[in-house]
Parts: sequence; structure tokens; C-alpha cells
Amino acid sequence: EVQLVESGGGPVKPGGSLRLSCAASGFAFGSYSMNWVRQAPGKGLEWVASISSDTLHTYHVDSVKGRFTISRDNAKNSLYLQMSSLRAEDTAVYYCARGGTIDVYWYFDLWGRGTLVTVSS
Amino acid sequence: DVVMTQSPDSLAVSLGERATINCRSSRSLLYSSNNKNYLAWYQHKPGQPPKLLIYWASTRESGVPDRFSGSGSGTDFTLTISSLQAEDVAVYYCQQYYTTHWTFGQGTKVEIK
Repeated sequence: EVQLVESGGGPVKPGGSLRLSCAASGFAFGSYSMNWVRQAPGKGLEWVASISSDTLHTYHVDSVKGRFTISRDNAKNSLYLQMSSLRAEDTAVYYCARGGTIDVYWYFDLWGRGTLVTVSS
Repeated sequence: DVVMTQSPDSLAVSLGERATINCRSSRSLLYSSNNKNYLAWYQHKPGQPPKLLIYWASTRESGVPDRFSGSGSGTDFTLTISSLQAEDVAVYYCQQYYTTHWTFGQGTKVEIK
């Protein structure tokens, strides 16, 4: 079955760190760009970070630059988001989403069910 | 960053009637070299992941009912649900993928009148 499954969310104190994972199955993970998108409580969707299929190119929204890092391990069919210096405004459901094979300028055609990150003292 | 603005923020439509959602981008999403608009539409229901409906502004994703259609070019786009069904109650988002800072509209909540 073609799917993405996120894990690693949970409660964390402000200033803390967390590493999210996304396990891919059922497709050639290493051929696709991958992305993280979040939704804060009561808010809309916000793109967080993207990574090219060959890992050479990464992109992060300005609000997380220097704090979050997207990475991937194509041998393990896994995507990661290392989150540090967490703030209350980072509280959200974090979704893993698949991009394209041709380049990173692509829509997101497959999404995981998300993992909730709660930043609170 | 490219700002995506949807209208309205919410709308209530009777079952079987047409629902129209608009999306405007702060810059053109039409890439001249391939004549494609880098614009997608998603449906998001509570407790579920977002679902891709439309890409390249007007191409319906496989399995999406044909009552969903996308139109527009450049900076102005529209998602139309030709005959609203109960299962279409959701929040709908447009998204640009023209730049490497992908941005979504604020969302439009569709309800049954």
C-alpha cells in the first residue's frame, strides 16, 4: 500500500527539541521530493520544509530557519524533521507529503495522517 | 513570498447546488516555458489528511469526482463544485508551487445550507 506514516510528535517544553519521522512505503521513495506541512489549532495549512530527491536541496519557511532541519535517508525510505528551540507557535499537526519526481516545483499528491506536536510549559 | 488569497472565507450551499471558490495570487503562476499554471487545490476534512483535488490549475487528480473542476490562469483561479454533495463539506485550500516557498491560501470552509 502506498502510504506515509508520521511519528515522533508529542508534548515538549518551550526551548526543547523533537525529531519527527515519516516512513514511506509502496513507492520509490528515493525518486520523489518530500515535504513537511503543518496546521496549528484552528488555523490553515502552512508549508514548513522541503527536500529534493537527491538530498542536495533543502528549503525552509522563514519562521523555522535556523531551528528546524529537514533531512531524509533514502536507504531507509524515511523523511525527518529535526526541530529545536521550539516555541508555543510551533504547536501543530505536522504532515509529511510527497512531491514530484521531476523537480521540487510540484504539488503534494500523497499525505500522511499527521503527528501532533504540542509546545507548552 | 507569493501570497495566496481565497474568497470567500466560508460559504453555505444547498445540496445539489454549485459552490465556487476563488483564489488570487500576488504574482502570476503561469510559467511561460511550458504554459502551465503552478496551482493546486486540496480538500481537508477534520481528522483526515488533506487530499489533492486539482493540479496545474485544471487537471483533476485520479479518483476525484468530475463535479470538481478548476479553472483560471495567471493570478486568478477558481474551484467549482458543480453539484454539492454532503461528503463535500470540508475546508478547501489553493496552493502555489511556482516558487520554492510553497504557500497556501487561508482556506474556504464549505457547509450545507
